[in-house]
Amino acid sequence: DAGVTQSPTHLIKTRGQQVTLRCSPKSGHDTVSWYQQALGQGPQFIFQYYEEEERQRGNFPDRFSGHQFPNYSSELNVNALLLGDSALYLCASSLTAGGPDEQYFGPGTRLTVT
Amino acid sequence: AQRVTQPEKLLSVFKGAPVELKCNYSYSGSPELFWYVQYSRQRLQLLLRHISRESIKGFTADLNKGETSFHLKKPFAQEEDSAMYYCALIPGGYQKVTFGTGTKLQVIP
Repeated sequence: DAGVTQSPTHLIKTRGQQVTLRCSPKSGHDTVSWYQQALGQGPQFIFQYYEEEERQRGNFPDRFSGHQFPNYSSELNVNALLLGDSALYLCASSLTAGGPDEQYFGPGTRLTVT
Repeated sequence: AQRVTQPEKLLSVFKGAPVELKCNYSYSGSPELFWYVQYSRQRLQLLLRHISRESIKGFTADLNKGETSFHLKKPFAQEEDSAMYYCALIPGGYQKVTFGTGTKLQVIP
């Protein structure tokens, strides 16, 4: 099991563009959470997907949207990119969404907006 | 809203010295507290959780509800402990994790 995988590894976009990041959860996991980690900061919760629905959302604008597929993989979409969206985007998967549990993190996608 | 504070960005200690990484939280209920660690060139991983009350790699952390703290401690630092440490809080129920800003632990040989 490769654990949580994310693609691409790095991405450079221009302001105003749109970007899609992808995540495959650890085998057997059904819940995917997305985080934004700016330089020098801790990860900030964006949203969580379970059973193909957004279950929880952090304080992020509607420009950030997501999707979960029947195979539990997930996408994070960001529209109208701003310079401030430059960050490491982390995906984490877990076995259940019903309570505190260990989350397994992916290596992240480094997004640079110019 | 919950918040996690890690007051030190960098903590440098000599090998063999005791380590204490501070974490304070604010939350009105009874949260679950965690410590995550990120070693160089590795992904973020769970170190320990307060509900298990276990020692991992010699680290322990006690939840002090009166002081709303969850400090991470180790009696004798090792060079391999050098890493970034994040304190995290889950309010319960769904896993909306709140992370602190992290403390970089540097163990000097």
